Amino acid sequence: DTEVTQTPKHLVMGMTNKKSLKCEQHMGHRAMYWYKQKAKKPPELMFVYSYEKLSINESVPSRFSPECPNSSLLNLHLHALQPEDSALYLCASSPEAGLRNYGYTFGSGTRLTVV
Amino acid sequence: ILNVEQSPQSLHVQEGDSTNFTCSFPSSNFYALHWYRWETAKSPEALFVMTLNGDEKKKGRISATLNTKEGYSYLYIKGSQPEDSATYLCAFPNSGYSTLTFGKGTMLLVSP
Repeated sequence: DTEVTQTPKHLVMGMTNKKSLKCEQHMGHRAMYWYKQKAKKPPELMFVYSYEKLSINESVPSRFSPECPNSSLLNLHLHALQPEDSALYLCASSPEAGLRNYGYTFGSGTRLTVV
Repeated sequence: ILNVEQSPQSLHVQEGDSTNFTCSFPSSNFYALHWYRWETAKSPEALFVMTLNGDEKKKGRISATLNTKEGYSYLYIKGSQPEDSATYLCAFPNSGYSTLTFGKGTMLLVSP
């Protein structure tokens, strides 16, 4: 299995809703990432998990809450989002946190719309 | 804040044309340079991870070169095909080498 699977592919949620995005990989990768991408902009880093521990939080608002229950699974819990949070949320993994020899394996993303 | 610049922003070529685009990055403390291809509605796909000055890597009709002293990398596509239409992103590891900062990408459209 050489894929990163993200669910759901599309999500529409109201500003008072609570929802979760899910990311799964079975390649034995020990680093997992959440990126946010808005139209015509590059992907922007949100969170990094290394060996199931949160290692980087790029000053993301607390309405986004990451969780790494095990080495294969990464969740992003969403609560009280704003319309400006509408974006494509990409999950990625890599064999290890050092990126000299390995690139990311990306999921296809979740397109989130906040109404 | 890392400055990773890509040019041109977009490119439209005819099938069979060869094309190239550029990624510029900070030349000090170079660690690695990544190239990704991102087709619409699909996952970004890693093309190359380049680490050595003067390196040239090839994958089918796509190749990339690296100049770490002057801080640029070129991506070349020989004999472009419609299936090469995608956004090509370059990315540079941050100071901790554990995450990537992406350029805005070059959007390539290849017409039949």
